[in-house]
Amino acid sequence: GENVEQHPSTLSVQEGDSAVIKCTYSDSASNYFPWYKQELGKRPQLIIDIRSNVGEKKDQRIAVTLNKTAKHFSLHITETQPEDSAVYFCAASPSGSARQLTFGSGTQLTVLP
Amino acid sequence: GAVVSQHPSWVICKSGTSVKIECRSLDFQATTMFWYRQFPKQSLMLMATSNEGSKATYEQGVEKDKFLINHASLTLSTLTVTSAHPEDSSFYICSANGGLSNGKTQYFGPGTRLLVL
Repeated sequence: GENVEQHPSTLSVQEGDSAVIKCTYSDSASNYFPWYKQELGKRPQLIIDIRSNVGEKKDQRIAVTLNKTAKHFSLHITETQPEDSAVYFCAASPSGSARQLTFGSGTQLTVLP
Repeated sequence: GAVVSQHPSWVICKSGTSVKIECRSLDFQATTMFWYRQFPKQSLMLMATSNEGSKATYEQGVEKDKFLINHASLTLSTLTVTSAHPEDSSFYICSANGGLSNGKTQYFGPGTRLLVL
């Protein structure tokens, strides 16, 4: 089955700086890679996703890059703000109809004012 | 669009009782829903895949007789924790694949926090 590793487990940045979170996956058949943000006690919220037919996707201050050859993908947050503080999870989904997601272990991002 | 609700949000029960958690897709039909379990400061662990009109598919190590899943309609899946014990205390979250063309995107419910005394 799929295995997703995520680093770092914790990340502290100064407000205005950039944050980068990296994930690797094991199943070369995976073709969908979402990122979720989860605030304490709340549901995970989809913030951006990328499919295997593109290498990069951007949405305002958030971007995701995908390297299929190396089987890794990264989340980039620019101009961080205190409200970006949360736990971020990457995930990977294999092709096929199961549509299951395998999640990384999560990154606690803290943006210091 | 793609809103998933979950009920109840909190439940406290005595050891040995059963607890039912409902997951509903409010504005779309979901042939597949997923049930996750999350311990404090840990990731989401998939427990089972709930398929409308058929038996759920359980992940390795998840007891199907303890965690009963019923997906009787295209908008409702239920998870029943039978004979709950303190070690079952956790945050249970459901999700559903939302939309028509974007079949892989999963939208999560708000979660149910279960405390077994």
